[in-house]
Amino acid sequence: KAGVTQTPRYLIKTRGQQVTLSCSPISGHRSVSWYQQTPGQGLQFLFEYFSETQRNKGNFPGRFSGRQFSNSRSEMNVSTLELGDSALYLCASSPGTATGELFFGEGSRLTVL
Amino acid sequence: GIQVEQSPPDLILQEGANSTLRCNFSDSVNNLQWFHQNPWGQLINLFYIPSGTKQNGRLSATTVATERYSLLYISSSQTTDSGVYFCAAPISGGGADGLTFGKGTHLIIQP
Repeated sequence: KAGVTQTPRYLIKTRGQQVTLSCSPISGHRSVSWYQQTPGQGLQFLFEYFSETQRNKGNFPGRFSGRQFSNSRSEMNVSTLELGDSALYLCASSPGTATGELFFGEGSRLTVL
Repeated sequence: GIQVEQSPPDLILQEGANSTLRCNFSDSVNNLQWFHQNPWGQLINLFYIPSGTKQNGRLSATTVATERYSLLYISSSQTTDSGVYFCAAPISGGGADGLTFGKGTHLIIQP
């Protein structure tokens, strides 16, 4: 069974640009969660999608958004990038809930210049 | 929300040694997970352990929910065990609203 796939793995953007990251969950998993990892703040929950609906949201500004498609694939978007958005963005899938057993992808490492 | 604290923050051991990593949480939780982050950044799920003890090869974990802590044991350490170990619990303790992670234990196994 294929694992969680995230694309792109690495990307560099400049301040003010926007970025879209993609996540394909494990087949059959309907819950997709996104996390941001930075050296200063550690791992922080961004949001969770289930059946194309955002079910939970962490404490991030509205510049961070996401969506989920009917095949459970998910995208997250960050608009008007800031230097502080440089981070590893991790996607996790779960058969049920955002706090169930999570399986993570390899992450997308974003650098904002 | 729940606060998760891990200790020690750093641990350096020789190959073959045993280690115990601790995770304390500030309130009741309905589940607790342990992850290993490899050098490429991927988080690997080690244990989903709301309570009791589980074992998987050289690794085992115990969660004592009533005393709000969990332990991860690594026996006969190998260099491939190096990396950062995280524990995580539901943000609200008993809900399904995402996980809050500890700051991790950075483990280095020297040959």
